[in-house]
Amino acid sequence: EVQLLESGGGLVQPGGSLRLSCAASGFTFSRYAMSWVRQAPGKGLEWVSGISGSGTSTHFADSVKGRFTISRDNSKNTLYLQMSTLRAEDTAVYYCAKDMGRLVDTVALDYWGQGTLVTVSS
Amino acid sequence: QSALTQPASVSGSPGQSITISCTGTSSDIGSYNLVSWYQQHPGKAPKLMISEVSKRPSGVSNRFSGSKSGNTASLTISGLQAEDEAEYYCCSYAWSSTYVFGTGTKVTVL
Repeated sequence: EVQLLESGGGLVQPGGSLRLSCAASGFTFSRYAMSWVRQAPGKGLEWVSGISGSGTSTHFADSVKGRFTISRDNSKNTLYLQMSTLRAEDTAVYYCAKDMGRLVDTVALDYWGQGTLVTVSS
Repeated sequence: QSALTQPASVSGSPGQSITISCTGTSSDIGSYNLVSWYQQHPGKAPKLMISEVSKRPSGVSNRFSGSKSGNTASLTISGLQAEDEAEYYCCSYAWSSTYVFGTGTKVTVL
């Protein structure tokens, strides 16, 4: 059974940093691209970032480019999102999601975690 | 990377069919046959319902179907059931390996 478990969310001050983790199990982690998708309270879904199965290719939404970094450790079956220079508008539930392909090019995210809440506030 | 445009709400009676539109541009929906649809119930994670415009993942009811014409994609739910009441999001591939979601549509079963 595929499982994705996010952790690392919490309250952080504007301008601060936070690292999210997503522990994956139930599939061959290195064979699939992964994405982070966020949802602000009461709002819609926003794709944040994606990384290829090998980890060599990374992609970002314009709203986080230069502030967020995505990475993965295929030996630990874990996906990361390093967030810095956080703003109030980054407040959201952050989901990690498994892509159906090896590259960030299918738009098909077939498994999702339950999400972790990040709150940016002073 | 502007969000794709969806109607805020669509409703129908049990057994009826409804269609949700998703309008993009020639830089996303119009350029790629890479459109997916997600169902999200309140407080839950999204669920993939359609990939590659019209493919249903294993386990998804055949009451759900997808299509695309030009810059607009559509999701049709036939034989509407109470359990279909949820928020629905489209998603398209955009240039340079980025994804863009739609604004979301709340489906209400009357």
